Amino acid sequence: DMKVTQMPRYLIKRMGENVLLECGQDMSHETMYWYRQDPGLGLQLIYISYDVDSNSEGDIPKGYRVSRKKREHFSLILDSAKTNQTSVYFCASRDWGGYAEQFFGPGTRLTVL
Amino acid sequence: QQQVRQSPQSLTVWEGETAILNCSYEDSTFNYFPWYQQFPGEGPALLISISSVSDKKEDGRFTIFFNKREKKLSLHITDSQPGDSATYFCAASGGGGSAKLIFGEGTKLTVSS
Repeated sequence: DMKVTQMPRYLIKRMGENVLLECGQDMSHETMYWYRQDPGLGLQLIYISYDVDSNSEGDIPKGYRVSRKKREHFSLILDSAKTNQTSVYFCASRDWGGYAEQFFGPGTRLTVL
Repeated sequence: QQQVRQSPQSLTVWEGETAILNCSYEDSTFNYFPWYQQFPGEGPALLISISSVSDKKEDGRFTIFFNKREKKLSLHITDSQPGDSATYFCAASGGGGSAKLIFGEGTKLTVSS
């Protein structure tokens, strides 16, 4: 069963706290992504990972970092969260090559107070 | 600068009508255009896609029309059903099977019965 999972689904943090969002996939996909979704802005790419320890900045990487130590697991870290990082975060994965489909997780709704 | 633009932001049609969602892009190197469908509380899922070598792609009630010269696409949903109510994202990627997708802002479709 092809699946991308995200934990937690909902999270409330105070400004300045650290945040860890976790993503897993069971398809052995090499490429994984973190996006954030805000009303009227669509999906904005934060980071892309091409495999273990092979990560690249996306379009809006400032304030975020990532970690990928296993192919099936990709983490997004917010060090000292800010209120403008309140958003819905999506993880996705895809197989390598050609025009492969991106498979998305269910999202994590993060609120930073 | 938004490289992929969608219109309208929101659209309401009656059950049985044809919904037309528009998309335009700026980068002439884009050559693959997937459309993703997203229901509330879920992650986006691939609906239908087209490459720049085609001017039309059909899948059941969903059809993409592509105009390379004008850098425009449209998604037609014929015989719209209430279950089609969702947000639709147009996306684009460049040559060489680039792993990176650029998403538009989305069109929220409501189908009334």
